[in-house]
Amino acid sequence: DGGITQSPKYLFRKEGQNVTLSCEQNLNHDAMYWYRQDPGQGLRLIYYSQIVNDFQKGDIAEGYSVSREKKESFPLTVTSAQKNPTAFYLCASIRTSGIGTGELFFGEGSRLTVL
Amino acid sequence: SQQGEEDPQALSIQEGENATMNCSYKTSINNLQWYRQNSGRGLVHLILIRSNEREKHSGRLRVTLDTSKKSSSLLITASRAADTASYFCEGGSYIPTFGRGTSLIVHP
Repeated sequence: DGGITQSPKYLFRKEGQNVTLSCEQNLNHDAMYWYRQDPGQGLRLIYYSQIVNDFQKGDIAEGYSVSREKKESFPLTVTSAQKNPTAFYLCASIRTSGIGTGELFFGEGSRLTVL
Repeated sequence: SQQGEEDPQALSIQEGENATMNCSYKTSINNLQWYRQNSGRGLVHLILIRSNEREKHSGRLRVTLDTSKKSSSLLITASRAADTASYFCEGGSYIPTFGRGTSLIVHP
């Protein structure tokens, strides 16, 4: 079955550590997105990528980094520069031809807690 | 900036009642989509309505779209406790953005 997989589901980080969240999709989607969600809040866009080897900053990119070396994969690194990283992180993807006309597929999310 | 803003932010009803939530958006759209998020999970696509449609049905869901007012509504009929979730609209944009959603609680 096609889908989008995020791992790990739960992650704990000490202050000053970098952590990487994985996002893999087998839907052959061109565009992928990372969102951050805080309790009772909407989704805020961190980074997005519409083709391999290219990505753009979203509204809250500071303290985060991404790569898009393969079409299927769009990992997110939360760096020590991110001052308040405790949040729920969601990855999503969509067909390029579907932008504006199709549906986003979401992973199940990764919950990051800073100790 | 967010393309979709949901209202009300919270809605509490009894099982069997209908639930109506609204969405307003800012710029012209080709379509509008509604998503559902259960607590601690990812968003799941519910329904898409195109800009040339005024109403669409899917099971117990009814979506309306008024492009002149830049608004949409989602109606869930005969609600069930399992409908408890947050609901988001999204204006089918090149860079999908979301509001805070409507948190629906359906009491058994």
